Amino acid sequence: DAGITQSPRHKVTETGTPVTLRCHQTENHRYMYWYRQDPGHGLRLIHYSYGVKDTDKGEVSDGYSVSRSKTEDFLLTLESATSSQTSVYFCAISDRQSDTQYFGPGTRLTVL
Amino acid sequence: GESVGLHLPTLSVQEGDNSIINCAYSNSASDYFIWYKQESGKGPQFIIDIRSNMDKRQGQRVTVLLNKTVKHLSLQIAATQPGDSAVYFCAENREKGGSEKLVFGKGTKLTVNP
Repeated sequence: DAGITQSPRHKVTETGTPVTLRCHQTENHRYMYWYRQDPGHGLRLIHYSYGVKDTDKGEVSDGYSVSRSKTEDFLLTLESATSSQTSVYFCAISDRQSDTQYFGPGTRLTVL
Repeated sequence: GESVGLHLPTLSVQEGDNSIINCAYSNSASDYFIWYKQESGKGPQFIIDIRSNMDKRQGQRVTVLLNKTVKHLSLQIAATQPGDSAVYFCAENREKGGSEKLVFGKGTKLTVNP
């Protein structure tokens, strides 16, 4: 398995609360990604990073922010969680943007 | 490999049979394709990839075929085993807005019957 961990693995929170998910890699890959996975939609890109402090939006970035202060860590923040953000969130890494992406185990987030 | 609504396409096979999972892609400029396997409760796992300068690539018990003329990708699994039961989806590397992105299909659920 690629050296990717996500924390927490499960979280239940209430609408309006802030939530931060963490992705940690030990592969020293340049690119890191956050996806959400929902029935009927497959994997959708939220944000990605191409280096420390370098990030860009994906197709479903509204309501999410990210930060990358170290190569190994990529944080996803929901400033004020909504029920529509209930989903399974996956982090992925790749060495180059055109390369295979390797995924973490996922975080199941429920917003009540 | 594309789903309609909330329901994934499904494929049910007997243990020991060969499985073929299909995927259509939309961008003729896509030059890199990947197949992933996702077991219940786990993250997607890389199976095999292929670049557009190839028509076929083989791995251990798996073969990927690429037909650029009709923009079709298939994954063949030989001698399917119960451990192969999972959702399989393809991804294409697509250039958009000056950067490259992986675009994922919604998947096909494979069930292997003992």
